[in-house]
Amino acid sequence: NAGVTQTPKFQVLKTGQSMTLQCAQDMNHEYMSWYRQDPGMGLRLIHYSVGAGITDQGEVPNGYNVSRSTTEDFPLRLLSAAPSQTSVYFCASRENRGSHGYTFGSGTRLTVV
Amino acid sequence: GNSVTQMEGPVTLSEEAFLTINCTYTATGYPSLFWYVQYPGEGLQLLLKATKADDKGSNKGFEATYRKETTSFHLEKGSVQVSDSAVYFCALSSGGSNYKLTFGKGTLLTVNP
Repeated sequence: NAGVTQTPKFQVLKTGQSMTLQCAQDMNHEYMSWYRQDPGMGLRLIHYSVGAGITDQGEVPNGYNVSRSTTEDFPLRLLSAAPSQTSVYFCASRENRGSHGYTFGSGTRLTVV
Repeated sequence: GNSVTQMEGPVTLSEEAFLTINCTYTATGYPSLFWYVQYPGEGLQLLLKATKADDKGSNKGFEATYRKETTSFHLEKGSVQVSDSAVYFCALSSGGSNYKLTFGKGTLLTVNP
């Protein structure tokens, strides 16, 4: 199993550009989430989904958009990149039953200049 | 709301030393508690978990006990190795929001030979 796959691993954007961070999982997990990791801040939830067609906002949703058209894919869109969005982004997924931990992807390091 | 507080690092130890990383939490209901580990340049991996009071999670020589009376989930290891050098995150998921993880800010551990 590939687990959770994120692409790209690295990206540099100019202020105002848009892009999509891709996330795919092959474990048939219902729950998927996007987090950003910043020094001294831990991980903060951006958006999450509890199933195909269902998404909701986390702690820091501004400037980001998501959709969940299939169980496997959960892309994160930056609408108009800003330097404050420079961060490492992690996608994660888990089953909807029990208390299993999330499985994380390897991350996308984004720099906005 | 939910929150996780863990000891600030960095923590520097010599090989074979005893490790404790403190973690306390506030949560509604009865949370599930997790420790994640992030090795340099990688995503987060679930290290151990506990889902109810007095449960002990263990993995790779690490242990943590869910203490409801003190709302704590401290991570311990009796003899650390250089390969344990990483960032450690305490996290919880709780009740009606069990699809969301709330993270502490992380503790950087460096183990010297």
